[in-house]
Amino acid sequence: AQSVSQHNHHVILSEAASLELGCNYSYGGTVNLFWYVQYPGQHLQLLLKYFSGDPLVKGIKGFEAEFIKSKFSFNLRKPSVQWSDTAEYFCAVNAGGTSYGKLTFGQGTILTVHP
Amino acid sequence: GAVVSQHPSWVICKSGTSVKIECRSLDFQATTMFWYRQFPKQSLMLMATSNEGSKATYEQGVEKDKFLINHASLTLSTLTVTSAHPEDSSFYICSALYETQYFGPGTRLLVL
Repeated sequence: AQSVSQHNHHVILSEAASLELGCNYSYGGTVNLFWYVQYPGQHLQLLLKYFSGDPLVKGIKGFEAEFIKSKFSFNLRKPSVQWSDTAEYFCAVNAGGTSYGKLTFGQGTILTVHP
Repeated sequence: GAVVSQHPSWVICKSGTSVKIECRSLDFQATTMFWYRQFPKQSLMLMATSNEGSKATYEQGVEKDKFLINHASLTLSTLTVTSAHPEDSSFYICSALYETQYFGPGTRLLVL
């Protein structure tokens, strides 16, 4: 069974700082990778996804993620965070090549951005 | 964008009673919906996959007789927690599949 590990439980940054959230997964086969965000009081929203092709994917709100197959990683990045990025971020994996199917989530990373 | 609703948003019930949670896709049809459970400070754990017109597929360790899932139409899936006990208290989240998964806002269940 696949598993997903997010390196940090809570990250605190000041506005304009750069962000990188780590995500590693354990599965040897084809995977689809996702980052979801949950703003306070709201439901999960898709930030970006990777299925195939260019390993550097761009999502909404200036976020991007890079798939490094050799490292089983899919880290989320943003060059300059804003206070409004305060939220919880979840990495998720769909293994087996079944598009948009069953997801395995990481533990989540809470991002707090101070103005 | 695609919207998924859940009802109720929170519910308190006595131990031994059953609780039904609804998950609706408001502006699209979803052949497949998923039910997750989230404990405090933990991640989402997939409980089951709900397919319209067929039996749900449960993940290992999830009691299908306790968590009854019915996906009777392309816009509605229901999760019934039967004979609820305090350990069933949790945050239940559904998602509907339409090119990607769209998540509902969740239902917080407290069993006294």
